[in-house]
Amino acid sequence: QITLKESGPTLVKPTQTLTLTCTFSGFSLSTSGVGVGWIRQPPGKALEWLALIYWDDDKRYSPSLKSRLTITKDTSKNQVVLTMTNMDPVDTATYYCAHRSLVAFYFDYWGQGTLVTVSS
Amino acid sequence: QSVLTQPPSASGTPGQRVTISCSGSSSNIGSNTVNWYQQLPGTAPKLLIYSNNQRPSGVPDRFSGSKSGTSASLAISGLQSEDEADYYCAAWDDSLNGLYVFGTGTKVTVL
Repeated sequence: QITLKESGPTLVKPTQTLTLTCTFSGFSLSTSGVGVGWIRQPPGKALEWLALIYWDDDKRYSPSLKSRLTITKDTSKNQVVLTMTNMDPVDTATYYCAHRSLVAFYFDYWGQGTLVTVSS
Repeated sequence: QSVLTQPPSASGTPGQRVTISCSGSSSNIGSNTVNWYQQLPGTAPKLLIYSNNQRPSGVPDRFSGSKSGTSASLAISGLQSEDEADYYCAAWDDSLNGLYVFGTGTKVTVL
């Protein structure tokens, strides 16, 4: 059974760096083909893909946010970490981590999400 | 930010058929498969359809997907009250070194 759970601060100040951790179980990020991604959703708005990391440490980023994002993995801890620099109130959103299917690029398992508010 | 366009809302009475469109371009839907996610109120998205028309285990067969050219559609036949949710299409986009794009979302209301 695959599960994922996001953790991190619920409130950050403008210009600060956000660090979110995705802790998962039921699969290993050392297995060929496996990937974990991050997606966010501002309140009342649509989903937006942010980043993804593969088992071989290949990393993909949303072009519009690439300069602010870093995704890393700790295979031994079954964790993926996303950092986003220079936070702004428009970054207020629920942040989800999700398991990328082994078959194609889609997310077949999602975490519950964590709401991050950016405010001074 | 969304590059896939969906109607903001759709509605139907129980038992009716509802269709949601998703319009993209040659760099996304035109050259890659389409996926659909269902987001019930206050919950995380759930994969509903993958690879244009495939249903994951546990998804009722009243949900079906199709794709033609640079557009895709999700159909819900025999609409039920528990289908009231937001629905998002998504696809890989080959532009800008590649990115995964979501649709603008459609709120389905069961009247």
